[in-house]
Amino acid sequence: GDSVTQMEGPVTLSEEAFLTINCTYTATGYPSLFWYVQYPGEGLQLLLKATKADDKGSNKGFEATYRKETTSFHLEKGSVQVSDSAVYFCALKGNEKLTFGTGTRLTIIP
Amino acid sequence: DAGVTQSPTHLIKTRGQQVTLRCSPKSGHDTVSWYQQALGQGPQFIFQYYEEEERQRGNFPDRFSGHQFPNYSSELNVNALLLGDSALYLCASSLLVLRERGYTFGSGTRLTVV
Repeated sequence: GDSVTQMEGPVTLSEEAFLTINCTYTATGYPSLFWYVQYPGEGLQLLLKATKADDKGSNKGFEATYRKETTSFHLEKGSVQVSDSAVYFCALKGNEKLTFGTGTRLTIIP
Repeated sequence: DAGVTQSPTHLIKTRGQQVTLRCSPKSGHDTVSWYQQALGQGPQFIFQYYEEEERQRGNFPDRFSGHQFPNYSSELNVNALLLGDSALYLCASSLLVLRERGYTFGSGTRLTVV
């Protein structure tokens, strides 16, 4: 079945540092890929998505590229802010349902 | 434009009881999916409803059941609650014909079983 393997956390960075959160997947066919963010006490917010190979999703300075050859969708940001502190989930959509990774807790220190 | 609305926000139930959670989808959406998120884990798919019928179901026992109403709102029912059912329950809505636009999630209902 479908599965998502996500870089384990927690991850702690200083403000303005470079961020990478690794995500790899296993799926049949050609799934769409997503990054969701969850702030404390809240539901999930869509951060970015990519629907086919070599697509790059981007939003709020975050980027991720759909790499079919390595089955990866790593999340990157060039300069993180304190407000980026949250839990990040990589997910794939196959057969009308989302399959999530276990999440990576990110803490940014001023 | 209201997003996905879930009620109640928090709930405490006793083991063996039954619970009903409610979800109103985003305006214009016709499909509702339910997810269970245990503490420290990613959400797990429970089931999806479209046109008042269950289209797909994840690996959850029959104690978990649902319903979708003509106005597209939905309920999740859990019978014979177990301590392990304690989790954040998330509702997500979408428009089936525009499925590639992704899902909109509500803030969830935090269920605690004691």
